[in-house]
Amino acid sequence: KQEVTQIPAALSVPEGENLVLNCSFTDSAIYNLQWFRQDPGKGLTSLLLIQSSQREQTSGRLNASLDKSSGRSTLYIAASQPGDSATYLCAVDNFNKFYFGSGTKLNVKP
Amino acid sequence: DGGITQSPKYLFRKEGQNVTLSCEQNLNHDAMYWYRQDPGQGLRLIYYSQIVNDFQKGDIAEGYSVSREKKESFPLTVTSAQKNPTAFYLCASSPVTMNTEAFFGQGTRLTVV
Repeated sequence: KQEVTQIPAALSVPEGENLVLNCSFTDSAIYNLQWFRQDPGKGLTSLLLIQSSQREQTSGRLNASLDKSSGRSTLYIAASQPGDSATYLCAVDNFNKFYFGSGTKLNVKP
Repeated sequence: DGGITQSPKYLFRKEGQNVTLSCEQNLNHDAMYWYRQDPGQGLRLIYYSQIVNDFQKGDIAEGYSVSREKKESFPLTVTSAQKNPTAFYLCASSPVTMNTEAFFGQGTRLTVV
């Protein structure tokens, strides 16, 4: 069974810092990996989708990489802002079943 | 607008009652999913369906039931057999292809009173 782990569980940084969130998974037979943002009491908003054949995807200040063979993905956030404060979840797609990590709770201080 | 609508946003259940959570999508997606989220934890899969009139158990299906009579709708019933139903429930949908992107509703918070 696929296991997804996210490190760190929580992160508090001053505004402007660049930061890296980590996601690891045990079964490399995935279709893709997706990063989500979740605000308190809300649903999930998709940030980036990396297909299994890709190494990275970029959207604005966000860059996500995927190393399928080692079972790792990172989400890089450049020049963090207080509005980036949220929980970030990664999910892997195993044949159209999505498995989630428990998230990294990010707090960006003004 | 295209998207996934979950209702109600908040739901209260008395001990021993069954309650049904609604999930509707107008994205024309074949696959729909129900997840449960507990505080500080990731999402756990309850049930999923990849085609109308067919659905499969996820990792924590005990105490839950679903139906998929229409492509757009995937209601979840939390039965009295579910011993600890208080949680945040999220519905998602996706196309059934490789490299699919999942889209989520805004969730229903269920509380047992």
